[in-house]
Amino acid sequence: QVQLKESGPGLVKPSETLSLTCTVSGGSVSSSIDYWTWIRQPPGKTLEWIGNVFDRGSTNYNSSLKSRVSISVDTSKNQFSLRLSSVTAADTATYFCARDWSERYLDYWGQGILVTVSS
Amino acid sequence: IQMTQSPSSLSASVGDRVTITCRASQKIYNYLNWYQHKPGQAPRLLIYTVSVLQTGVPSRFRGSGSGTDFTLTISSLQPEDFATYYCQQSHTAPRTFGQGTRVDI
Repeated sequence: QVQLKESGPGLVKPSETLSLTCTVSGGSVSSSIDYWTWIRQPPGKTLEWIGNVFDRGSTNYNSSLKSRVSISVDTSKNQFSLRLSSVTAADTATYFCARDWSERYLDYWGQGILVTVSS
Repeated sequence: IQMTQSPSSLSASVGDRVTITCRASQKIYNYLNWYQHKPGQAPRLLIYTVSVLQTGVPSRFRGSGSGTDFTLTISSLQPEDFATYYCQQSHTAPRTFGQGTRVDI
């Protein structure tokens, strides 16, 4: 059973960088068919796909965030991470990490972590 | 690709048949998935590739459709089914979700 768990600060100041880590157990971030994905959900809104990392470091990003987002992988710790720079209140959301099987469907998700952007 | 779900919310009783529809702004073939989400929990994959039940999902859940129009049906609503349901397309990047359908008692 694959399990994912998000970690990181729950409060970030405007203009700073949001940094989150997803720790994977029961699966490997080195897998060639899994795409390790970040998704967010602002309060009262729907889910938004942020991007993914695959094949030990290749990435895809949502063009709406591309200039501010970076996703990386640490195979030694079986983790992948999200960095979102220059945050504003609009980046306040619950952030989820998930496994995308072969870019077809998101079969395992973390519980999510609420990140609030506020001074 | 824009995904439009309807209704945005509905009220139903245990035992009711519930139908949720999802329309894609362009043809997505069979690249359509459904998720269930309860507050404070991880979203759960219910159905992938239009109609394939994820392991462990009860058979009262059924997915159908093709092209641009898709449906999630719960044949007999159970107490544990009260949640928000999302469709998602995996045909084109960025992956996009419907706005959600909240199923209330």
